[in-house]
Amino acid sequence: DTEVTQTPKHLVMGMTNKKSLKCEQHMGHRAMYWYKQKAKKPPELMFVYSYEKLSINESVPSRFSPECPNSSLLNLHLHALQPEDSALYLCASSQAWAIQYNEQFFGPGTRLTVL
Amino acid sequence: AQTVTQSQPEMSVQEAETVTLSCTYDTSESDYYLFWYKQPPSRQMILVIRQEAYKQQNATENRFSVNFQKAAKSFSLKISDSQLGDAAMYFCANSGGATNKLIFGTGTLLAVQP
Repeated sequence: DTEVTQTPKHLVMGMTNKKSLKCEQHMGHRAMYWYKQKAKKPPELMFVYSYEKLSINESVPSRFSPECPNSSLLNLHLHALQPEDSALYLCASSQAWAIQYNEQFFGPGTRLTVL
Repeated sequence: AQTVTQSQPEMSVQEAETVTLSCTYDTSESDYYLFWYKQPPSRQMILVIRQEAYKQQNATENRFSVNFQKAAKSFSLKISDSQLGDAAMYFCANSGGATNKLIFGTGTLLAVQP
């Protein structure tokens, strides 16, 4: 299984809602990532988890809260988002957070719209 | 700081022809990797090809090959025998150093004309 799955595919939420994005991989990868991607732009790194521990937080606002319950799962909890947070949210994984294992496998993304 | 530059926002190629996408990068790291990722419209981003900086030989994957010029910090992607399914946004990326982050270029949108 060489797949990263993400649910839901699409999400529409109001600014007062609380929602969560989910990412799952069964490749035995120990590094997982969240990216934000605006239309026709490259992905921007948000968070990196290595062995279920948060290794990098790219100064992301606290309305985004990541969680890594186990080595296969990665969640992104959303609360009090702003319309400018509307974007494609990509999850990725790699064998490890190390240069020789840095080939990242991406999920299909969750298209988020904040009203 | 690492940077990746793609100077061609859009390219077009005829089916069965060859096209080259340009990428230049800057890094102070001695150990780094370079990647080309493909992102078709509304579809998943996938790795096309990967090059380790310490390897002089250019990487190839079927119809995809790179021209890696380390001294010039250039990493171009050649697509041979272009197919309709090659139409996508192509991102050049670099990783290495202490943070090992994947740094993306701004992308090149490739159209394939039948």
